[in-house]
Amino acid sequence: LAKTTQPISMDSYEGQEVNITCSHNNIATNDYITWYQQFPSQGPRFIIQGYKTKVTNEVASLFIPADRKSSTLSLPRVSLSDTAVYYCLAIFNKFYFGSGTKLNVKP
Amino acid sequence: DTGVSQNPRHKITKRGQNVTFRCDPISEHNRLYWYRQTLGQGPEFLTYFQNEAQLEKSRLLSDRFSAERPKGSFSTLEIQRTEQGDSAMYLCASSPRDRGGYEQYFGPGTRLTVT
Repeated sequence: LAKTTQPISMDSYEGQEVNITCSHNNIATNDYITWYQQFPSQGPRFIIQGYKTKVTNEVASLFIPADRKSSTLSLPRVSLSDTAVYYCLAIFNKFYFGSGTKLNVKP
Repeated sequence: DTGVSQNPRHKITKRGQNVTFRCDPISEHNRLYWYRQTLGQGPEFLTYFQNEAQLEKSRLLSDRFSAERPKGSFSTLEIQRTEQGDSAMYLCASSPRDRGGYEQYFGPGTRLTVT
């Protein structure tokens, strides 16, 4: 039974902003939303985490609405090197990663 | 700055054999996690430790799997009587004390092939 839901894949072009949405309907009050990036044959890499509203760091922004049932990872001006799988992780029930979104950035 | 290290990086074994993997977390990270990942799927949680205590264990972790973290430093994951379905990438991650497990740093993984 899936705990988070993301689009299977997305295509984008270099220089565009990419928004990836994750659904987590059963998120608990104290849980955080965390996003990871994974390249082939490597372990996932932490990108950003948040609890509510908006969080921004040097690589991405994370938007979480008031009901916290979804979140959106925003990648500004993507490049070819951003081609990877992105996972939304809702920290509840044993750190469930979900299926991830394969982002393909085209030149 | 050394990251999470895992050994071996690759392991090929015959069905029925036992294998053991080692994970060395980032020093002073008190939490350590084990995941399993198969091709095209996200990492699947197996178990995690806070210091030397094993706090959570997935139901997917059958009695053939056991993990230890003596002295709260490195950890080992042992699989007994391996089966072909155990073929996967085994990932280890650690997180610092003040991050509540949200910010995990992953190692390169150990790829297991059971023939």
